[in-house]
Amino acid sequence: NAGVTQTPKFRILKIGQSMTLQCTQDMNHNYMYWYRQDPGMGLKLIYYSVGAGITDKGEVPNGYNVSRSTTEDFPLRLELAAPSQTSVYFCASRYSWGGYEQFFGPGTRLTVL
Amino acid sequence: GQQLNQSPQSMFIQEGEDVSMNCTSSSIFNTWLWYKQDPGEGPVLLIALYKAGELTSNGRLTAQFGITRKDSFLNISASIPSDVGIYFCAGQLGPRDDKIIFGKGTRLHILP
Repeated sequence: NAGVTQTPKFRILKIGQSMTLQCTQDMNHNYMYWYRQDPGMGLKLIYYSVGAGITDKGEVPNGYNVSRSTTEDFPLRLELAAPSQTSVYFCASRYSWGGYEQFFGPGTRLTVL
Repeated sequence: GQQLNQSPQSMFIQEGEDVSMNCTSSSIFNTWLWYKQDPGEGPVLLIALYKAGELTSNGRLTAQFGITRKDSFLNISASIPSDVGIYFCAGQLGPRDDKIIFGKGTRLHILP
């Protein structure tokens, strides 16, 4: 199992550009999450999904969009990049039953200039 | 939104020392989790706590779910260099809550 994979690892965007952060998991997890981590801060939830076709907003959804067309993939879309979106983005997934262990990807470091 | 207050923010200790960190909230939590994040990596779960008063160990790590369900602590005994990293507490508010709330983390430094 590859676990949770994220691409790209690093990206620099200009203000106003758009991009999609990819996230894929091969553990057949129903639940998937997107977090952002700013320097010295914890993880803030952007969006999450409890299954294919179902998404919901987290704490900081403004400026982002998600879709969940398959169990494996949960891409995060930035439409009009702003400097405030400079952060490290983590995708995570977990089973819908049992414990609450979230498995995290390695992160995408995004800089908006 | 709901907040977890994690302390201390950072710690500088000598190798071999014991470490203690905690997390508090004004809200009652159903589940407490402790994660560790190594530099450049995503967080990895260390210990999960599901019952008030529960005390759980994982090697040199021990964590407890507070009786009031509003706090938790993590202890690390006899610290070693690979313990360096950021430790996050996290919690789930209700049994049907799909979201996990994270504290801001405790950054552990080990002095040579």
